[in-house]
Amino acid sequence: GESVGLHLPTLSVQEGDNSIINCAYSNSASDYFIWYKQESGKGPQFIIDIRSNMDKRQGQRVTVLLNKTVKHLSLQIAATQPGDSAVYFCAAWPRRRDSSYKLIFGSGTRLLVRP
Amino acid sequence: ETGVTQTPRHLVMGMTNKKSLKCEQHLGHNAMYWYKQSAKKPLELMFVYNFKEQTENNSVPSRFSPECPNSSHLFLHLHTLQPEDSALYLCASSRQPNTEAFFGQGTRLTVV
Repeated sequence: GESVGLHLPTLSVQEGDNSIINCAYSNSASDYFIWYKQESGKGPQFIIDIRSNMDKRQGQRVTVLLNKTVKHLSLQIAATQPGDSAVYFCAAWPRRRDSSYKLIFGSGTRLLVRP
Repeated sequence: ETGVTQTPRHLVMGMTNKKSLKCEQHLGHNAMYWYKQSAKKPLELMFVYNFKEQTENNSVPSRFSPECPNSSHLFLHLHTLQPEDSALYLCASSRQPNTEAFFGQGTRLTVV
């Protein structure tokens, strides 16, 4: 089946340190993955995406790594700031055509930034 | 702002009421989605519309009825809901399926 899961429900980091949020996906998951950030009272906000023909993609202070061998996805946030405090979701589009419209979300990791 | 607007932001309704949630996108996208977000659970896809046609109904009870009159507007009609239907209902849109989806702020629904 299709599943996307996050490894830790909560991650606490010191301000200024780097954060790493992990995600695993099942064999039948997508060729396309997205990381979303959701702050309290808001909808999920796109952070960065990656397709399966890539291993790494960088944005502003964020990097997504894709390890297809172990079906693992990670989001790295450099120099974590208080404004990074939120719930982070990984999401995947299933590869199978009969469910190609279904964006599947993991359960989310809450990132807490300590001052 | 993401370009996806949902109204109302908060809604309290009784189990015998009928209400509607509205979603509007000004991004020129062709696909629109309804998601349900309950506490401590992953986002659950409810419905998908592509070019105004419903392409996915994820086993959603009939007390939730979607409507997509055009590619820019999506409604979710609610009737005879249960307290367990209380959740954050999120609308999203994308240029086409399998591309980045943009979310609205959500409607916080409480059924009493």
